[in-house]
Amino acid sequence: GQQVMQIPQYQHVQEGEDFTTYCNSSTTLSNIQWYKQRPGGHPVFLIQLVKSGEVKKQKRLTFQFGEAKKNSSLHITATQTTDVGTYFCAGSFGNEKLTFGTGTRLTIIP
Amino acid sequence: DVKVTQSSRYLVKRTGEKVFLECVQDMDHENMFWYRQDPGLGLRLIYFSYDVKMKEKGDIPEGYSVSREKKERFSLILESASTNQTSMYLCASTILLANTEAFFGQGTRLTVV
Repeated sequence: GQQVMQIPQYQHVQEGEDFTTYCNSSTTLSNIQWYKQRPGGHPVFLIQLVKSGEVKKQKRLTFQFGEAKKNSSLHITATQTTDVGTYFCAGSFGNEKLTFGTGTRLTIIP
Repeated sequence: DVKVTQSSRYLVKRTGEKVFLECVQDMDHENMFWYRQDPGLGLRLIYFSYDVKMKEKGDIPEGYSVSREKKERFSLILESASTNQTSMYLCASTILLANTEAFFGQGTRLTVV
């Protein structure tokens, strides 16, 4: 089946540093979604990107969808302890169900 | 406040037992999904359902079955639990099959001993 690759698997950053996680697909995606899972919690929807080259911001979070709609990134500026958790991307191929990436687990060193 | 509710937060079962994990959503969503989450492997789809009594295999259906007798309820069944089915199980629902937000339940941590 179709796959969405996500890197890195783990990231440890000092509080205040920036953080980026990347998703890649070998096939064009119809959209990309991002979810956050806090420790002990469940994935919660953050955002959906649909258009080629789209960029969206939510406070310190910046989401990008590549021009070819095969890659995406989530960038957090000046991380805070509240950012800890696992970030998942999830893509749809045409009208098929979501395919989740493997996730990036972010830990913050105070 | 929309909700997906899983019947148990933690379960401990013995090898060979038949295990039922229940999921209920109150959003009148057509589509429901069962995933298992393991460290380093992300969310892997076990089964999904796009309508009452309809089901489709996901990426890892072996050892599992599902039931959807009512629109709001989707059950995951482990016919004979094995230790390699120890995992976090997450249920989700969506209004459309693709391109819409997935709402997740709180998860069930299943341990098979």
